Amino acid sequence: AQKVTQAQTEISVVEKEDVTLDCVYETRDTTYYLFWYKQPPSGELVFLIRRNSFDEQNEISGRYSWNFQKSTSSFNFTITASQVVDSAVYFCALMNNNAGNMLTFGGGTRLMVKP
Amino acid sequence: EPEVTQTPSHQVTQMGQEVILRCVPISNHLYFYWYRQILGQKVEFLVSFYNNEISEKSEIFDDQFSVERPDGSNFTLKIRSTKLEDSAMYFCASRGTGVNEQYFGPGTRLTVT
Repeated sequence: AQKVTQAQTEISVVEKEDVTLDCVYETRDTTYYLFWYKQPPSGELVFLIRRNSFDEQNEISGRYSWNFQKSTSSFNFTITASQVVDSAVYFCALMNNNAGNMLTFGGGTRLMVKP
Repeated sequence: EPEVTQTPSHQVTQMGQEVILRCVPISNHLYFYWYRQILGQKVEFLVSFYNNEISEKSEIFDDQFSVERPDGSNFTLKIRSTKLEDSAMYFCASRGTGVNEQYFGPGTRLTVT
């Protein structure tokens, strides 16, 4: 069975602060994929990033960066210089390389960025 | 940019009624999914669909649920006899061949009264 844990249910920061959202996963598979999705107040799920289990290189995209550490089964997400528009629920998700390719989501972290 | 669309955006139905939620996946995608999110909770997998058959389904996807691809563009989720606990946001997603990210539609909020 696979599991994704986002221990932080809610984080509140002031604009321009950096914030890191934690994600820890469990899987028995050697090949898997990790994702982050953003759910703004409007409710849709917006794909942010995918990482393959065999690629531990960290990634930066503008103010967003991701730290994948296989040794600790973690895939953390950092927003630098947060903005009010970053306020949303962020979900980490895991997909195994099987026929169904279902996503297993974590419980989500609600990020509130105050002006 | 191509996107997944879902209709209706909000459906209110009475307990025991049948509902059909509709999705139009991204046109060249071949893998289709339904997920649901009960208010304030995490997103849960319901079913995956490929090559006109179910690839995998969760425990939630019992005999009251069914999926269909009636034509080349639509992908539907039917709930035969709705229960109060079926009230949730239902998301459709699709994925292309050779890529792993699933793209989600805006969701249908189902309210069962």
